Amino acid sequence: DTGVSQNPRHKITKRGQNVTFRCDPISEHNRLYWYRQTLGQGPEFLTYFQNEAQLEKSRLLSDRFSAERPKGSFSTLEIQRTEQGDSAMYLCASSLRAGVISDTQYFGPGTRLTVL
Amino acid sequence: SQKIEQNSEALNIQEGKTATLTCNYTNYSPAYLQWYRQDPGRGPVFLLLIRENEKEKRKERLKVTFDTTLKQSLFHITASQPADSATYLCAPDSGTYKYIFGTGTRLKVLA
Repeated sequence: DTGVSQNPRHKITKRGQNVTFRCDPISEHNRLYWYRQTLGQGPEFLTYFQNEAQLEKSRLLSDRFSAERPKGSFSTLEIQRTEQGDSAMYLCASSLRAGVISDTQYFGPGTRLTVL
Repeated sequence: SQKIEQNSEALNIQEGKTATLTCNYTNYSPAYLQWYRQDPGRGPVFLLLIRENEKEKRKERLKVTFDTTLKQSLFHITASQPADSATYLCAPDSGTYKYIFGTGTRLKVLA
C-alpha cells in the first residue's frame, strides 16, 4: 500500500507525559500537513512542510507542540506535557504540488490520542 | 474571517433516493472546492474537486455543483446505498496550501 501511514493508531497517556506520532507520506509527495480533529468538527490545520522546511505553524499550536520532517521524508509530531485538552485525532496528509495545479491532499488513518 | 457552513444535523434518507448536501462559504473566493468522505475513526478520503469555472462535476453516482455567485457547493449522491453512510466534508481552496474544512454533514442511508 502506497498511501499515507501513521503510527501509532491509538495512544493513551497520562497528563504530563510526552508523546510522539509518526507520519509516512506518499513517497513522491513534497508537501506534508498535520491536522487535529475533535468529535463533531472538521480537521483543523496545525502545521505544514514543504520538503523539510516547516513553512507555517498554526496559532492554535502551543509551544508544547513541535513537528519535524528530517530530509523531507517522514514527519514526527511531538506533544510535551500533555493536557486533557490535547485529546483528539491527529491527522497527517500529503500532497504533490506541481506548478499552479491544485494539489489534493491525501490523508492517513490518523492517530487517536487520549490523555487521562 | 473565512467561514464554511455545512448542515450540522444528520441527514437521513431512504436507500435509492438522492442525497443532497450543502456547503456554503463566506469571506473568500475559492478557485476550487473539494469534497471528502470520512468514516468514523478514519482519515478523510478525497472524492471530487471542482474548479470555479466548472458548474458541475460527476463521478459515478456523485455529482458536485459550484455556484460562485451564491458561494455554495452542492454534493449529490444518486441511488444512495447504506454503504454511502458517512460524514462528508467540504474544503474550499483558501488561496494557500492549507485547507479549511467545514464541520461536515453526517449522512445515514436507511435500508
